Amino acid sequence: GAVVSQHPSRVICKSGTSVKIECRSLDFQATTMFWYRQFPKQSLMLMATSNEGSKATYEQGVEKDKFLINHASLTLSTLTVTSAHPEDSSFYICSAREVGRNYEQYFGPGTRLTVT
Amino acid sequence: GQNIDQPTEMTATEGAIVQINCTYQTSGFNGLFWYQQHAGEAPTFLSYNVLDGLEEKGRFSSFLSRSKGYSYLLLKELQMKDSASYLCAVRDGAGAGSYQLTFGKGTKLSVIP
Repeated sequence: GAVVSQHPSRVICKSGTSVKIECRSLDFQATTMFWYRQFPKQSLMLMATSNEGSKATYEQGVEKDKFLINHASLTLSTLTVTSAHPEDSSFYICSAREVGRNYEQYFGPGTRLTVT
Repeated sequence: GQNIDQPTEMTATEGAIVQINCTYQTSGFNGLFWYQQHAGEAPTFLSYNVLDGLEEKGRFSSFLSRSKGYSYLLLKELQMKDSASYLCAVRDGAGAGSYQLTFGKGTKLSVIP
């Protein structure tokens, strides 16, 4: 149980285009989903926290107009990287917290974004 | 805010025991987590400590001392597949219902024959 999927697993896009990444909780309902970014040899950096049906809370330094997050249901959150630039190339990972469970976050397999 | 420190790299021999330390300075504390992450993959949950003491789970154990801001992950009977990065993460208690995690930079463990 407690499986989180992400789609796509890898994406290559041209500079200036937008990319949408989906995060789904497959066998549980997720009150809260988190989006992280990880650069090579660096740790996971929290970008934003999204709660179903409400606006995402962004961490300091993360542009909310560039990284659009939509958490439309208890099983789906999407991250759209708008007007992507090469410096946005990174490993994007989502995690989900199950309704009623206090501590554990379940991570998706990640999405490798390369902007050319 | 949170500041989390752990060694960058460690090497250990197959079959041995290794201890990975983590120290933290936080404005709030609501639990410490250890995750394992293989290269190019997402982290997988290993352990959770919120009270002082040792939590044992098979070959892995995790210890917490809140007064010292210190935790360690102990891996016994090391196997080659344990070669991975081990991430220490702290959950702060700021804000009602806050479950955000702040991660350390990770310790890359290499297990050698």
